[in-house]
Amino acid sequence: EIVMTQSPATLSVSPGERATLSCRASQSVSSNLAWYQQKPGQAPRLLIYGASTRATGIPARFSGSGSGTEFTLTISSLQSEDFAVYYCQQYNNWPPLLTFGGGTKVEIK
Amino acid sequence: EVQLVESGGGLVQPGGSLRLSCAASGFTFSSYDMHWVRQATGKGLEWVSAIGTAGDTYYPGSVKGRFTISRENAKNSLYLQMNSLRAGDTAVYYCARGGPLSWFDPWGQGTLVTVSS
Repeated sequence: EIVMTQSPATLSVSPGERATLSCRASQSVSSNLAWYQQKPGQAPRLLIYGASTRATGIPARFSGSGSGTEFTLTISSLQSEDFAVYYCQQYNNWPPLLTFGGGTKVEIK
Repeated sequence: EVQLVESGGGLVQPGGSLRLSCAASGFTFSSYDMHWVRQATGKGLEWVSAIGTAGDTYYPGSVKGRFTISRENAKNSLYLQMNSLRAGDTAVYYCARGGPLSWFDPWGQGTLVTVSS
């Protein structure tokens, strides 16, 4: 099973600053990686797939990069609505397994 | 508008059973893989099951043999039959549409399953 590790667990950032979130895979997942945003009390929302392609309607301040085992989600200038938990998910060994990282909480500094 | 609406959650005793449903609208349901993902309170996301367009099914080891995913294309509906439930199955269960390579988009609002005596 591919294990996904996200860091840091919590990121404190001021509005307007850049946030950089990391996701590491225990073995190569090529570019088969997605990122999700989850706000309290809400379902997750797809942000990025294919490691770097923004989903429909996602603002350009969100960008994804990386391949293989190291991935990054960057939020270029944090807005108030961006404070949330972010999860990465690999789909390289599908089928039969899909796995998520443990999440990074982005909080207001 | 693509919409997924889960139902069927509730309180069940350990060892009991529950059937979740997910009503889909706004897209050609039969053309998409569908998934269930769960989230225990304050915890991360865990993929629970998937069903392909041809009816092929997939499960992680944590639920294999206890959970059964099914679909009824004529009713645009997805189901999850959960048997031999344990306290560790307590979570919000989301249904989600599968992307071409199995990312999840969109997600339903979730239904809470509580396993407790």
